[in-house]
Amino acid sequence: DTAVSQTPKYLVTQMGNDKSIKCEQNLGHDTMYWYKQDSKKFLKIMFSYNNKELIINETVPNRFSPKSPDKAHLNLHINSLELGDSAVYFCASSQDLARTGDVLNYGYTFGSGTRLTVV
Amino acid sequence: AQTVTQSQPEMSVQEAETVTLSCTYDTSESDYYLFWYKQPPSRQMILVIRQEAYKQQNATENRFSVNFQKAAKSFSLKISDSQLGDAAMYFCAYREYGNKLVFGAGTILRVKS
Repeated sequence: DTAVSQTPKYLVTQMGNDKSIKCEQNLGHDTMYWYKQDSKKFLKIMFSYNNKELIINETVPNRFSPKSPDKAHLNLHINSLELGDSAVYFCASSQDLARTGDVLNYGYTFGSGTRLTVV
Repeated sequence: AQTVTQSQPEMSVQEAETVTLSCTYDTSESDYYLFWYKQPPSRQMILVIRQEAYKQQNATENRFSVNFQKAAKSFSLKISDSQLGDAAMYFCAYREYGNKLVFGAGTILRVKS
């Protein structure tokens, strides 16, 4: 059973198009994230949601809009795609440590990534 | 903002030998979490090991162990009895306030047979 699944795994699209990446976790975690990995493999957080509420919104162009219909899902919609948006996008989730106190199992679980190529 | 520094862009190790990957971080907090993640060519991010800052004892997971030096803000990963399957990019990460993970730039580990 996949813990954090994101679709699609690969996405090739033309500049100017709008696309979405979907993410679902079945771990019962409260917090979900979107990370971007650039061509140099550097990983940087974009957004995080805790129980459907936006918690972190880093300096990301407003063409990127996350949506969390429930705490198990966090989707990423990108408008007017640009060449510079080409990257690998990772969804991740973690438990709310303040709520669970489960320090022994605390960690972040990542999806397998979506490689977005804008041509 | 916290920073995480991995000073070794690339490391090589002979199969069955031991290798240590370095990581330093900057923080003013006293309680935090540190992680090492492995990213093989499949690009999946795999948790290798975690360390809670308030624990003095170094974390270990089978062939993987850390040397956590809190005063020096150092968190190195030791891989013993290296195997071909250990070849990957390794990322050190610090959990910042608000659950945000801040990553280092990564170290590519090559394992020679």
